[in-house]
Amino acid sequence: QIQLQQSGPGLVQASQTLSLTCAISGDSVSNKNVAWNWIRQSPSRGLEWLGRTLYRSNWNYDYADSLKGRITVSPDTSRNQFSLHLKSVTPEDTAVYFCSREEITTRFDYWGRGTLVTVSS
Amino acid sequence: DIQMTQSPSTLSASVGDRVTITCRASQTINSWLTWYQQKPGKAPKLLIYKASTLQSGVPSRFSGSGSGTEFTLTITNLQPDDFATYYCQQYADYTTFGGGTKVEIK
Repeated sequence: QIQLQQSGPGLVQASQTLSLTCAISGDSVSNKNVAWNWIRQSPSRGLEWLGRTLYRSNWNYDYADSLKGRITVSPDTSRNQFSLHLKSVTPEDTAVYFCSREEITTRFDYWGRGTLVTVSS
Repeated sequence: DIQMTQSPSTLSASVGDRVTITCRASQTINSWLTWYQQKPGKAPKLLIYKASTLQSGVPSRFSGSGSGTEFTLTITNLQPDDFATYYCQQYADYTTFGGGTKVEIK
């Protein structure tokens, strides 16, 4: 049974860094057949893919163009988890953030429960 | 970026109805189309991938069709548990989601 457990603060000050972690059980962050993603959802933006990490012979990263320069997705093999870091946040980054497992380029089949992150000015 | 447009944005239906949701892509995505169901306060749930492949455990009253730029999600014999919001997602160029279709009780 694959489960994704999200953790991290629900309130971040503007201009600071938003950091969330997704702990994986029942799978490995180093699984070469899948990718590990972050997605967010807000009333104004809908569902928005943010970025992902995946392991082949080395670690690979893909990020949404709109966030490049602000976003980092990083794996932690020792704890079997991955993290999202989004720097220089503004109130527009207020959203529910989800982590998800991706069967490469076909579907997001497992999701975390979501974390509401509010950016206060 | 590939834009995904869903219609209608809201759909009113009754238990037992057959409902159809359309998703259009701004450029061809072949069959790289996925459908999700989402209920309030929950994460999206995978229903269908590669346009028409039913995810394991999803009831057969859900079906998907289409290719290229136009796709359809059909729910036959709508059940009380099916009242939710449905999203399409394209995988041809990274990934983007449609704006959602809320299926509400008539």
